[in-house]
Amino acid sequence: EDKVVQSPLSLVVHEGDTVTLNCSYEVTNFRSLLWYKQEKKAPTFLFMLTSSGIEKKSGRLSSILDKKELFSILNITATQTGDSAIYLCALPKGGGSEKLVFGKGTKLTVNP
Amino acid sequence: SAVISQKPSRDICQRGTSLTIQCQVDSQVTMMFWYRQQPGQSLTLIATANQGSEATYESGFVIDKFPISRPNLTFSTLTVSNMSPEDSSIYLCSAEKQGLQETQYFGPGTRLLVL
Repeated sequence: EDKVVQSPLSLVVHEGDTVTLNCSYEVTNFRSLLWYKQEKKAPTFLFMLTSSGIEKKSGRLSSILDKKELFSILNITATQTGDSAIYLCALPKGGGSEKLVFGKGTKLTVNP
Repeated sequence: SAVISQKPSRDICQRGTSLTIQCQVDSQVTMMFWYRQQPGQSLTLIATANQGSEATYESGFVIDKFPISRPNLTFSTLTVSNMSPEDSSIYLCSAEKQGLQETQYFGPGTRLLVL
């Protein structure tokens, strides 16, 4: 069965801190791994990772994939209160499906 | 990216009634999906909305409870039928745009409270 496990489930930091969020997975026929940020209702797309060792970067956010060890990390440097959100990791299900299986998410709270 | 709108954005309903949620995408997409997110939980896929044919439901979800329509490549509806308080959730539609495989974009969601 396809599985996505995120850790930690919640994290509280102060502005300026750097955080690392983890996502480990088990899926047949891996194709990609996606990171989303969910603030109120709608998850907004952050990154899609397909290749090991290639860092994707957008401003203070970056992410990398390790297909050998079956995990990905999402880093946020110099955190701001606006980074407070739930960060979701998702993968397309095995067997060629486009359906996504989601982890439970990491709830990040950045305090001023 | 695809721009997706949903309506209503929120609603409060009485048990036993039904609510239809609409999802509109600003361009043609190959795949559309409906998810549910119960309080404190992650997203759970309800079904794949198939254009011109019956939706494909995930285990635990049935057509009688969650009828879905997809009359064309840009629009879909999800109905939550005979609602109970356990149906209180955020309902999200997502779309996968042709040519950008495996990047699903989400609508703003519908927050439903059933009393």
